[in-house]
Amino acid sequence: ETGVTQSPTHLIKTRGQQVTLRCSSQSGHNTVSWYQQALGQGPQFIFQYYREEENGRGNFPPRFSGLQFPNYSSELNVNALELDDSALYLCASSPGTGSYEQYFGPGTRLTVT
Amino acid sequence: QQQVKQSPQSLIVQKGGISIINCAYENTAFDYFPWYQQFPGKGPALLIAIRPDVSEKKEGRFTISFNKSAKQFSLHIMDSQPGDSATYFCAASTHGSGNTGKLIFGQGTTLQVKP
Repeated sequence: ETGVTQSPTHLIKTRGQQVTLRCSSQSGHNTVSWYQQALGQGPQFIFQYYREEENGRGNFPPRFSGLQFPNYSSELNVNALELDDSALYLCASSPGTGSYEQYFGPGTRLTVT
Repeated sequence: QQQVKQSPQSLIVQKGGISIINCAYENTAFDYFPWYQQFPGKGPALLIAIRPDVSEKKEGRFTISFNKSAKQFSLHIMDSQPGDSATYFCAASTHGSGNTGKLIFGQGTTLQVKP
């Protein structure tokens, strides 16, 4: 059984560009959540997907969007990148209904210059 | 009301000592309280978690103590080892319909265990 994987590991983008980050959930997990972790801070909830539907969203602007695919993998898209978007982006998967545990991937380090 | 406040910000403990990290919350709807351990350059790893219907949970050297009336919970690391040196985050979430909730994290505690 493989854990949560994310790609790419690191990414450097220029302000104004768009970026797509990818996450493969743990086998058997149908819920994926995305978090943003700024340097020295705790992770902040961006949104969650359950069986391909958005199931909750944090205090992030609409330029942060996502998708979940039939195999429960997920993408996070960020448009019009800003310098403050520089952070570690974490994906967490969960078995879904009735289970509260969330298991995190290694993250994607995004740097916006 | 959605905040989770964590203290101390940093902690230095001698090998073999007890490390104690505290968290406080306001939202009484929280019903799941996990602790995560994060090493530099890695994602947070689920360490131990508790539900509000119990006051203590122990797994190996790690214990969560939960005080529902005070809205506080803490992590105790017994016999702390240099390998425990990491950043620890408390978190809390609510679950309205049984689905996985969003985690609200504390600010983190950097633990250093001296040999």
